[in-house]
Amino acid sequence: GQQVMQIPQYQHVQEGEDFTTYCNSSTTLSNIQWYKQRPGGHPVFLIQLVKSGEVKKQKRLTFQFGEAKKNSSLHITATQTTDVGTYFCAGLAGGTSYGKLTFGQGTILTVHP
Amino acid sequence: DTAVSQTPKYLVTQMGNDKSIKCEQNLGHDTMYWYKQDSKKFLKIMFSYNNKELIINETVPNRFSPKSPDKAHLNLHINSLELGDSAVYFCASSPRLSGTGWSDTQYFGPGTRLTVL
Repeated sequence: GQQVMQIPQYQHVQEGEDFTTYCNSSTTLSNIQWYKQRPGGHPVFLIQLVKSGEVKKQKRLTFQFGEAKKNSSLHITATQTTDVGTYFCAGLAGGTSYGKLTFGQGTILTVHP
Repeated sequence: DTAVSQTPKYLVTQMGNDKSIKCEQNLGHDTMYWYKQDSKKFLKIMFSYNNKELIINETVPNRFSPKSPDKAHLNLHINSLELGDSAVYFCASSPRLSGTGWSDTQYFGPGTRLTVL
């Protein structure tokens, strides 16, 4: 079945440093979504990427979708303590009819002030 | 005005018991889901319903039985609870059942932390 691998599993940064998490799928994706889960909270939708090579920005967050639509990344510039949490990518396999999102394992980000 | 709500928030029970978790969404969405998040934060889909119809049924022990009385509610009943069932269970909803090539945002509930002793 479809697998979505996400690395790194953990990332510790000093406030102000940049952070990147990477997502790789075993199959071509129709689209990919990114979610953030604060400690003790629930996943919250951040963005969806659909087109090959797409790049989207949300303030300090930059999301990319690979040309082959099999990988994606989330980059945070100048991290802040409010960025703490687990970041998940979730991919929808190409050709899937019923929208089963497969989540990556998540990257747990810790930001030291 | 909570969008997706779950009860209870915490559930502590003994092995072998039967328990239920309830989920309600007031967003008018057609599709609802149950996810299990283990201690390593891994999120795995268990079930999906669209307009009360079961759409996705992953490889989940048949001790887990979802039930959707209407499209705003999706409950999860678990029989004969085992230690390995301890996890956080999230309910989620999305506006529509995703089609080929597109998917809707999923809105997650606050989660139910189940601890089996």
